[in-house]
Amino acid sequence: QLQLQESGPGLVKPSETLSLTCTVSGGSISSSTYYWGWVRQPPGKGLEWIGSMYFTEGIYYNPSLKSRVTISEDTSKNQFSLKLNSVTAADTAVYYCARSRGPPRWDFGLWGRGTLVTVSS
Amino acid sequence: QSALTQPASVSGSPGQSITISCTGTSSDVAGYNFVSWYQQHPGKAPKLMIYDVKTRPSGVSNRFSGSKSGDTASLNISGLQAEDEAHYFCSSFTSSSIVVFGGGTKLTVL
Repeated sequence: QLQLQESGPGLVKPSETLSLTCTVSGGSISSSTYYWGWVRQPPGKGLEWIGSMYFTEGIYYNPSLKSRVTISEDTSKNQFSLKLNSVTAADTAVYYCARSRGPPRWDFGLWGRGTLVTVSS
Repeated sequence: QSALTQPASVSGSPGQSITISCTGTSSDVAGYNFVSWYQQHPGKAPKLMIYDVKTRPSGVSNRFSGSKSGDTASLNISGLQAEDEAHYFCSSFTSSSIVVFGGGTKLTVL
């Protein structure tokens, strides 16, 4: 069945760029009608949606992060990625990639296991 | 866009029923029937339990049910079991076409 797996550095220095990749196995992201996105969770805190994309219809970002975030896809590798620039300690979180139906539903029915990214010098 | 408001914690004994509330505004919960609920056990990814206010995905126990009245959505869990102890998060579509999550509720089964 379809599975998602996050990968990327677990430690990022302040002011640098956080880069993560989500590899999708068991199905093609380009033939899907779902949105592919990212959700994060600071330690001991709640969930925060970062953004989601669908290839032909565009990309949605959380307005609070929009100036620092880029989500893109690599269909040849069946992957999509997250870049968050100018990070601070407040960006320390478990980052999940997730599949959802798009607006208006935004129901995240499939998640990766998550990867902890710590921002520290 | 502010996070939806959930109680920090709720508790119940095995076999009892509990309700978790999720309060928003006219720009999200009150304005649309697109509320979802997620269960998250420690160290695990969230799991979708309810979507479109009251629809259960395949495989989710019918002990879980959702509803909405005005600006408040609710998740009801009946016949509480030890395995239900987890954090629960709500989310809603918003007038900006994006999604916002609630702060989360810790359910303790006594």
